[in-house]
Amino acid sequence: DSGVTQTPKHLITATGQRVTLRCSPRSGDLSVYWYQQSLDQGLQFLIQYYNGEERAKGNILERFSAQQFPDLHSELNLSSLELGDSALYFCASSGRQGNNSPLHFGNGTRLTVT
Amino acid sequence: GDSVTQMEGPVTLSEEAFLTINCTYTATGYPSLFWYVQYPGEGLQLLLKATKADDKGSNKGFEATYRKETTSFHLEKGSVQVSDSAVYFCALKETNAGKSTFGDGTTLTVKP
Repeated sequence: DSGVTQTPKHLITATGQRVTLRCSPRSGDLSVYWYQQSLDQGLQFLIQYYNGEERAKGNILERFSAQQFPDLHSELNLSSLELGDSALYFCASSGRQGNNSPLHFGNGTRLTVT
Repeated sequence: GDSVTQMEGPVTLSEEAFLTINCTYTATGYPSLFWYVQYPGEGLQLLLKATKADDKGSNKGFEATYRKETTSFHLEKGSVQVSDSAVYFCALKETNAGKSTFGDGTTLTVKP
């Protein structure tokens, strides 16, 4: 058990809809990362928050947004969903900003857009 | 930008065979290097790491050595088991950078 909790585990929705994915980081971790894993594109970094502030941005679409709350949990909002957004979305957390701190992953949310 | 290249899979081995999964990287600074493993239906979990040149990370019989001269971090195991069947990801994390950059993953299947 990594200590990172993601909800829901599965989400099925229609094109054009909006969904919210939730992540609770490991106790004491200040950084939260969001990754998208699809069959054809591997693991793609979306965005990182550190103690409530956006710290790094990757290949995140404008239709997607995220935030980290004062209690350090994070939400990833996906809107105007398209079929191509179907993927596994992982949240990960780490404790320190230093480069040798590994990521601790949740079990992911599987999003299916129909 | 940073990048990680892993050998393409899938890799299929018999139990007790020797495993090598190649990983090379491109980075501007002095990154830390990681191997993560993903079992079916689960998130990635750290397998081993190395933080500077010539460091060897090891865990559960797996090893990888940080080779700065060849920018490589190949994963090895002397005798694989069926339970090692999983997807393996090589990753790097740059100095003072937030994000980690991952390779595409290599699927390993070990047959009895």
